Amino acid sequence: KQEVTQIPAALSVPEGENLVLNCSFTDSAIYNLQWFRQDPGKGLTSLLLIQSSQREQTSGRLNASLDKSSGRSTLYIAASQPGDSATYLCAVTDAGNNRKLIWGLGTSLAVNP
Amino acid sequence: DAGVTQSPTHLIKTRGQHVTLRCSPISGHKSVSWYQQVLGQGPQFIFQYYEKEERGRGNFPDRFSARQFPNYSSELNVNALLLGDSALYLCASSRDSGKEKLFFGSGTQLSVL
Repeated sequence: KQEVTQIPAALSVPEGENLVLNCSFTDSAIYNLQWFRQDPGKGLTSLLLIQSSQREQTSGRLNASLDKSSGRSTLYIAASQPGDSATYLCAVTDAGNNRKLIWGLGTSLAVNP
Repeated sequence: DAGVTQSPTHLIKTRGQHVTLRCSPISGHKSVSWYQQVLGQGPQFIFQYYEKEERGRGNFPDRFSARQFPNYSSELNVNALLLGDSALYLCASSRDSGKEKLFFGSGTQLSVL
């Protein structure tokens, strides 16, 4: 059974820091891995999608890597800003017939001015 | 272009009642998925529909049902509501049935009293 874990659960940093959020998954049989952002009481915004054959994806100040064999992904945020404060969720698409997303519990990030 | 739209945004029901939640996917997207997110938890997969057929079902009781219409919009129905059904219900759309980026609506916040 696929399980997704995110570390740390919460993170508070001063503005301008570079930071790394971690995601691990137990079954390497995935189609892809996605990183999402969620603001309080809101829906989810997809940040980056990495297909199982890819190693990384970049969008602006965000870079996500994928090491499928070790079951790990990292989301790197450069030069953090207060507007980056949100919960960041990692999800893998199960390679079984269901193709459902399996989610981590998220990392709650606070970037302080 | 309109994103994924969900209605209503908020809903208050009492135990035992029935509720219908609606979702319109992004134009051109044929897949719709439903997720339940309890406060402080990651989303839990409920259903996926692709081309009007059910493609996946999560571990939810038969009180939960869904359907997709010819225009690819979708409804999620929950019968005999329980207090534990209180959650944010999220709808996501994608072009295909699992390998592409998911786009989420803002969700319907359901409170069961």
